[in-house]
Amino acid sequence: EVQLVESGGGLVQPGGSLRLSCAASRFTFSSYEMNWVRQAPGKGLEWVSYISSSGSTIRYADSVKGRFTISRDNAKNSLYLQMNSLRAEDTAVYYCAREDEDGYNFDYWGQGTLVTVSS
Amino acid sequence: QSALTQPRSVSGSPGQSVTISCTGTSSDIGGFNYVSWYQQHPGIAPKLMIYDVTKRPSGVPDRFSGSKSGNTASLTISGLLAEDEADYYCCSFAGSYTFYLFGTGTKVTVL
Repeated sequence: EVQLVESGGGLVQPGGSLRLSCAASRFTFSSYEMNWVRQAPGKGLEWVSYISSSGSTIRYADSVKGRFTISRDNAKNSLYLQMNSLRAEDTAVYYCAREDEDGYNFDYWGQGTLVTVSS
Repeated sequence: QSALTQPRSVSGSPGQSVTISCTGTSSDIGGFNYVSWYQQHPGIAPKLMIYDVTKRPSGVPDRFSGSKSGNTASLTISGLLAEDEADYYCCSFAGSYTFYLFGTGTKVTVL
């Protein structure tokens, strides 16, 4: 079955940076669009960023635009999220999520990685 | 980029039906047939339950159904089971700028 495994979360000070990774397996990663979705503690889901299968199209939520950068390496079956200028409100579990073949929904999710921004 | 509006909670007895609403605008739910629903149990990643407003992924029981009218989408759970107790989130595509919006989330309680 499809597997998505996030890593790279941890404790970081406000203004700091962190890079999340998502290792994909058991499917043809290069054929699928991918996303990052986050969930603050005790709160709801928030879409963060999208990247097309080739990496040519990228989108961000306004809340992270200019601070976060999504990328992918299809040769390594990996998705990334570079997070700079981190704020307390970025504290959340970050999930990588695959879109199905036709898009517009998230059919597989990783287990999530916790990012805590605090001094 | 405001979240879609869902009731905070709904409840029902085993065997009953519950319906969760998800209200947006003509720029998201009303403008596209790309509404999906996710079930999330505590501490676990969300699971896709409905996509493209009415479609069910393989493995999802037919007790779960989706619909849409205007700017409001709905998820109905029929024949409620104890295992259905969870948080449910709607999500809609919202165009090439906003992209995706999630709902505020609804806690379903099985009495």
